Amino acid sequence: AQSVAQPEDQVNVAEGNPLTVKCTYSVSGNPYLFWYVQYPNRGLQFLLKYITGDNLVKGSYGFEAEFNKSQTSFHLKKPSALVSDSALYFCALSYSGAGSYQLTFGKGTKLSVIP
Amino acid sequence: GAVVSQHPSRVICKSGTSVKIECRSLDFQATTMFWYRQFPKQSLMLMATSNEGSKATYEQGVEKDKFLINHASLTLSTLTVTSAHPEDSSFYICSARVEGGGRNQPQHFGDGTRLSIL
Repeated sequence: AQSVAQPEDQVNVAEGNPLTVKCTYSVSGNPYLFWYVQYPNRGLQFLLKYITGDNLVKGSYGFEAEFNKSQTSFHLKKPSALVSDSALYFCALSYSGAGSYQLTFGKGTKLSVIP
Repeated sequence: GAVVSQHPSRVICKSGTSVKIECRSLDFQATTMFWYRQFPKQSLMLMATSNEGSKATYEQGVEKDKFLINHASLTLSTLTVTSAHPEDSSFYICSARVEGGGRNQPQHFGDGTRLSIL
C-alpha cells in the first residue's frame, strides 16, 4: 500500500528566510508525487509534480521540490519565504485505484511566515 | 486553464434537508471527478470517484445512499447529501483531471463547499 507522511504539523519561518516543508513516501514502483497548497476555506492549488527526470523540480510561486529516491523524500523548498506563503501544504502520491489514478495525501503542514 | 468551479461555496440548512453540490470543469473535459471530505485541521479524505456515464465508485465506509453522485456530462458532477444531519457538517471538495490525462496529470480542485447542518 502507498502512503505519504508529513512529519511536521506546523513550520514557522521568518520572512525572507528559506523554507522547507518535509514529505516522505512509501510506494511500490515509481512514485508520482505532487505538492498542493490550500488557503483558508479554499480548495487545493497545484504547485508542482515529480514524474521522472531531474530530481529538482520547479513549480509555481517560486517553489521547488527535491526528489530523493534513497531517502524516499520529496521536500518542498523556497529560497526566500513571503508572508503570503502562509497556508496549508499537502504532499500527495498518485496511485492506481478504482479504474482511475487517485491521490493519497499527507496530513498537511501549516506554514506560518512571520513578518 | 484547467479551472474547476464548485457551487455553492457555503450552505447552512436544517437537519433533514438534502443538499446538492455542483462541480464543473470550466475549460476542459473531465471523464473522472473526485469528491473529498475534509475535517478541521485534517487532510482530505477521498469519498468517491465519479465517472461520466457510469456509477460512482465509493471508498470503504462511505454510504452511497447518503452521498449520491451523478456525473451526467464531461463537465459536471454533482454530490447530493441526502437527509443531512449535523454529523455531515464538513468541508466538501471536488477535483477533476483533464480527460485522457494519465497518472502524471495533476488533479484540479474546486474551492470547496462548507456545509453546516443545524
